[in-house]
Amino acid sequence: QQQVKQSPQSLIVQKGGISIINCAYENTAFDYFPWYQQFPGKGPALLIAIRPDVSEKKEGRFTISFNKSAKQFSLHIMDSQPGDSATYFCATRSGSARQLTFGSGTQLTVLP
Amino acid sequence: KAGVTQTPRYLIKTRGQQVTLSCSPISGHRSVSWYQQTPGQGLQFLFEYFSETQRNKGNFPGRFSGRQFSNSRSEMNVSTLELGDSALYLCASEGLANTGELFFGEGSRLTVL
Repeated sequence: QQQVKQSPQSLIVQKGGISIINCAYENTAFDYFPWYQQFPGKGPALLIAIRPDVSEKKEGRFTISFNKSAKQFSLHIMDSQPGDSATYFCATRSGSARQLTFGSGTQLTVLP
Repeated sequence: KAGVTQTPRYLIKTRGQQVTLSCSPISGHRSVSWYQQTPGQGLQFLFEYFSETQRNKGNFPGRFSGRQFSNSRSEMNVSTLELGDSALYLCASEGLANTGELFFGEGSRLTVL
C-alpha cells in the first residue's frame, strides 16, 4: 500500500531555475513531513521539514508548501544549482508509529 | 560529533547464508531505526529500537531481525538470504528530543548471489 505518492520521478532543470517536487499522502494521522536529500553512495540527509500547523516553511533556497485539506506538500528549490543534483525523498510520519514512510524519490539534475 | 557509523559498507553473500550488519548511532542517541533501500521498492522501514527494546516493526518476514545493546549500538541480521535481499541497508538514529529528525548512516550494501 503506497501511502505517499511522489512526482515527478525525474526532473531536469537549468541552473538558476526553480525545481518543484510534489507529494501526496493518504493517512491524516501523519503529523511530520520531512524532505530528505540523497547523494550517490551516501545516506539520506534531512533537508527541511514541516508540521501541519503551518502552510509554508522556508530555509534558504528551500521551501516546503503544505496543503492540509488537499493532503499534499511540495518542495521548491529556488535558484537551483548543479550541486543540488541528487535524489530527493519526501516522507511522512505519525507520532505514534515512529517510522518514516517515504515517497518513491525524484532524481533531480541541474544543468550548468 | 561523529555521525552514524555502519559496518561493513559492502558485502557479498550467497543464497542461504546469513548476514549481520552493525550500526553505531550518534553519541547520546538512543533510538535506532533500520531501513532497506532498493531500486524497486524504495526506502522501507524495517524496525526501530529504543533502550534495547523493539518499539516498532515493519512488514518484513521473520528472517529479518535486530537487536540493540546497552550502549545503543544496534545490529540487524538476515537469515537464509534470498536474491531479493540485495539492497542498501540504512541505519538511522534519533535524539532524545524526539524532533522526528533521523540521522542516517551511509549504509551497508548487501549483494546476494
